[in-house]
Amino acid sequence: EVQVVESGGGLVQPGGSLRLSCEVSGFTFSDYWMSWVRQAPGKGLEWVASIKPDGSEEYYVDSVKGRFTISRDNAKKSLYLQMNSLRADDTAVYYCVGSSWDCWGQGTLVTVSS
Amino acid sequence: EIVLTQSPDTLSLSPGERATLSCRASQSVSSYLAWYQQRPGQAPRLLIYDASTRATGIPARFSGSGSGTDFTLTVSSLEPEDFAIYYCQQRSNWPLTFGGGTKVEIK
Repeated sequence: EVQVVESGGGLVQPGGSLRLSCEVSGFTFSDYWMSWVRQAPGKGLEWVASIKPDGSEEYYVDSVKGRFTISRDNAKKSLYLQMNSLRADDTAVYYCVGSSWDCWGQGTLVTVSS
Repeated sequence: EIVLTQSPDTLSLSPGERATLSCRASQSVSSYLAWYQQRPGQAPRLLIYDASTRATGIPARFSGSGSGTDFTLTVSSLEPEDFAIYYCQQRSNWPLTFGGGTKVEIK
């Protein structure tokens, strides 16, 4: 059975940092691109970042470039999102997505507010 | 950036009716288009990839068509669990982008 479990969300002040984690089981993690997608309250889906299976390439939406870093540990079957200089408009549920975009976690809520 | 425009914003239909959803890309995405369903309080679920291939476990009443810039998701006969929001996504170019969504609601 495939499981994708995110953690690390919470309330953070503007300008602060947070690190999201995602643990995967049930598919060969090291074979697949992994991604983060977010959804602001009441809004649609927004792709945030993706990373190649071996970690050698990363891609980001413009609004997070220079502030967010995606990384992975294939030995631990884990994906990460380091988020720095957080802003109010980063408030969203963050989903970890893997395999061929058919494996989604339940999401972790990040709230940026003073 | 490739912009995806979905229409209509809302579709009001009854169970058993046919739903036709549209997704238009601002430039060609070839066949690198996917469709997702999101029910309230749930994560999105992949329905269709490569424009017309059903994902594992997706019922045959869901079908996708199109290529280039114009795509369609069809639900042949709506079941109660199909009332949800549907998003298209292009995977042709970085940055990956999603459409704004179409809500299929019960009439």
